[in-house]
Amino acid sequence: DAKTTQPTSMDCAEGRAANLPCNHSTISGNEYVYWYRQIHSQGPQYIIHGLKNNETNEMASLIITEDRKSSTLILPHATLRDTAVYYCIVRGGGVNQGGKLIFGQGTELSVKP
Amino acid sequence: DTEVTQTPKHLVMGMTNKKSLKCEQHMGHRAMYWYKQKAKKPPELMFVYSYEKLSINESVPSRFSPECPNSSLLNLHLHALQPEDSALYLCASSQDWRPSGNTIYFGEGSWLTVV
Repeated sequence: DAKTTQPTSMDCAEGRAANLPCNHSTISGNEYVYWYRQIHSQGPQYIIHGLKNNETNEMASLIITEDRKSSTLILPHATLRDTAVYYCIVRGGGVNQGGKLIFGQGTELSVKP
Repeated sequence: DTEVTQTPKHLVMGMTNKKSLKCEQHMGHRAMYWYKQKAKKPPELMFVYSYEKLSINESVPSRFSPECPNSSLLNLHLHALQPEDSALYLCASSQDWRPSGNTIYFGEGSWLTVV
């Protein structure tokens, strides 16, 4: 079962920051938080991942709370092309389970003009 | 280059046909995955290969038969499918199976319709 909880949908105005929350209250110490997005009819696209520290790359920033029970994906200047389903995934754990990427329901982000 | 290539992009097959989906990556990745995605649902893991050996089968029916001929290729053989098997089939790969921060990259998928 997915270990994360996300809002079903969110809207964001074009040019504004999109802040997508994710709860993962049962996360273990060796588990990573991954974010992917899926634009309609395409394969999931990797965005960013982190363990404890905040992370930033050319696409987004990932803010993880100190207790690691929640995180926020930030798209700093959302464009219409960022309209997609965003998945927050907890990955890691035991040797036999570690590679699994188990998707939850995700957040459908609509960026509006 | 983070490309995973899947062919064909679209496939229509009858319930008595035998067909295959193909996946290729040239990133030197040693773990490869098959996912199935129904409309408006998240992707579901089907199989995981690690170093060309099947590591995980998520209780997938035997009408789906995976094969990993070498470290770059992954096939999914299809036989006697049902209309409810119509879905987007996604292939993915990662450097290896270790439970660490090691990114999984997805292909664009193969749309399968069973008639």
